[in-house]
This record gives sequence, C-alpha cells and structure tokens, in this order.
Amino acid sequence: DTGVSQDPRHKITKRGQNVTFRCDPISEHNRLYWYRQTLGQGPEFLTYFQNEAQLEKSRLLSDRFSAERPKGSFSTLEIQRTEQGDSAMYLCASSPDGTGGTEAFFGQGTRLTVV
Amino acid sequence: GQSLEQPSEVTAVEGAIVQINCTYQTSGFYGLSWYQQHDGGAPTFLSYNALDGLEETGRFSSFLSRSDSYGYLLLQELQMKDSASYFCAARGGGYQKVTFGTGTKLQVIP
Repeated sequence: DTGVSQDPRHKITKRGQNVTFRCDPISEHNRLYWYRQTLGQGPEFLTYFQNEAQLEKSRLLSDRFSAERPKGSFSTLEIQRTEQGDSAMYLCASSPDGTGGTEAFFGQGTRLTVV
Repeated sequence: GQSLEQPSEVTAVEGAIVQINCTYQTSGFYGLSWYQQHDGGAPTFLSYNALDGLEETGRFSSFLSRSDSYGYLLLQELQMKDSASYFCAARGGGYQKVTFGTGTKLQVIP
C-alpha cells in the first residue's frame, strides 16, 4: 500500500450534473476525512468517518453533498446538481487510531471544474 | 468558530532560517499541526505540538504556547526545495475536526 489514493484526479462536468469521487485510504487507517481546497486557501473540513460511521459533518456540506464509507474501507463523496462554486480540489485524508486526526495522510486530490 | 492566522507570504534566502507564525482561536483546543504543500501536490504532515514547547525534527522545529494561542514553524538551513505553502492546523471543537489556516507561501531565493 503506497498511500491514500483518489480517483479521478481531474473531473470536468457541466453545471447541474452529479459527480462522484472515490477515496481509498491507507489500509490499516480507521479514520477518513474529506476536505475541500480552493486556490490560495487552506483545506476546509467537510466530513469525518471512524470506520463506517460518519461522525462529523461540516455545515459547509449542504444537502447536495453526501459521503459514504459503507464497509469502513474506501469512501465516496457525491455532489448532486453541481454548481460553479463547487469547483475546487477535493482532498481525502486518513489517519490511524491514536493520533486524533493530527497526523493525517492526504491523497493527491480530485480537481473538480464545473463549467 | 475556529480561525487560524498566518502571514500570507514569506521570502528567505537559501541557507538561512525562517519562522512562520500562527495564531489561533479555537474552542476545546487539543494541539497544533504543521503541513507542507507544494504547488499541485497534497499536504504532507511535518509536526505536531500538543504541549507547550519546542519539537524538533531535523531541519524543522515547531513551537507552541497554549497560553498565548500561538505557535510557529522554524525552518533551518533553507533549501530551494523548501519553497512551498505551509499550513498550521488546529484540532479542536468537534473532537476530530482539524481546521487549517490559510497558509503561508514560502519562497526561497538563491
């Protein structure tokens, strides 16, 4: 296992379409996080999973956003009815138990462009 | 709410020492982390301070003062490859929510 993997790396979609991103964390990591990052800004927290349970969700995550981690391994982030403001880099990170989320290993991200 | 403030840009000379400051406001503060991100790359973890004082890891050191809600990252013997954005991140509020600062873009010049 070489790290956190995200797919696709790039996605261009038309406004109003639905998109889904996938994240495969480091295999022994129980904790998984989704962040969104726009140019010149730090990553914004979106949601957090402990195994398959979604324990925290930012109010930034509107009802158009949903995330799942059905078997406590990979996770998906879906955005419905995309808007131009959704254009950003979507980052996934994972960490093992005991670090409290402070040492997170990030994937390379999925860059979403909504046209 | 939670917020972290950092200088937006810093320029330093190769071989020199640079300090990147971070002040934070967060409820239920647990600790402060630092991440490095090169353009087009993913953030990579550098260090974490849960207690006051200095943590040293090679050329990088990080300091925390909980009473002052302040921390800094110290980079010594700067190399050109250190040119990147550096983010402080605080764990607080919701137990697992880590909030990132807006980042400091470091440019190392010859």
